[in-house]
Amino acid sequence: KAGVTQTPRYLIKTRGQQVTLSCSPISGHRSVSWYQQTPGQGLQFLFEYFSETQRNKGNFPGRFSGRQFSNSRSEMNVSTLELGDSALYLCASSLLQGIYEQYFGPGTRLTVT
Amino acid sequence: GENVEQHPSTLSVQEGDSAVIKCTYSDSASNYFPWYKQELGKGPQLIIDIRSNVGEKKDQRIAVTLNKTAKHFSLHITETQPEDSAVYFCAASTGSGGGADGLTFGKGTHLIIQP
Repeated sequence: KAGVTQTPRYLIKTRGQQVTLSCSPISGHRSVSWYQQTPGQGLQFLFEYFSETQRNKGNFPGRFSGRQFSNSRSEMNVSTLELGDSALYLCASSLLQGIYEQYFGPGTRLTVT
Repeated sequence: GENVEQHPSTLSVQEGDSAVIKCTYSDSASNYFPWYKQELGKGPQLIIDIRSNVGEKKDQRIAVTLNKTAKHFSLHITETQPEDSAVYFCAASTGSGGGADGLTFGKGTHLIIQP
C-alpha cells in the first residue's frame, strides 16, 4: 500500500505571495492532519480534516487554511507569506477520526525569501 | 494546552548498548503516546505507541513504558545498531484522531550510534 504523498517536495516563494500544498493520504484513510516543523518551534499541529470538515485547529493565524476533498485528499494554503513561514510542512493520515495512529508523508520544504 | 518535555536533546551510545529517551507531559487527560523516528530528509515514522490503559509495550528491540501517576513515558532501544541513528520524537494526545490540539510533540532527541 502506498504511503502518504505530498506535492511539491520543495517550494521557494517570496514574501507576500500565497502557496498551496497538497497531500494524498494512505488509501482508505479518511483523516488528514497538517503539521509545521521548524528548528526553533519543533513540530506543531496546524489542523485536522475528516469527512471534508475541519475538526481541530492548532494555534496558527488565519493565514493558514486548508480543505479536504471527497476523495480525502487535502490541501493547505498559506496567504501573505512571511519569512517565518519557512518550514517543513508535514501531512499525516489516519484511518478514521478516533483512530490514533498517524502516518506522516515526506513533507514539503517551503522557503520564503 | 498540553506540554511535552523530552530529554536528552542528544544521546550518543556505543553500538550494541541500550538507549533510553524520556518524556514528561502536563495534561492528565492525555491518553495516547506515540514515538516517531525521523531520518534526514524524511517525514517522521511511527515506531511504537502506547495507550493510557497499558503500562508497557514491546516490539522486538524497542519498548515503551508509561507511568500515568508521574506523567512520564520512556522509549527503550536495546542492542542499538547504526541504522538506529536518527532524531526521535515523543508525542501526546488527549483525544481522537489527534485530539483538540492534535499531537503535541517533544523537541526531539538526536540519537547517535557510535561504531
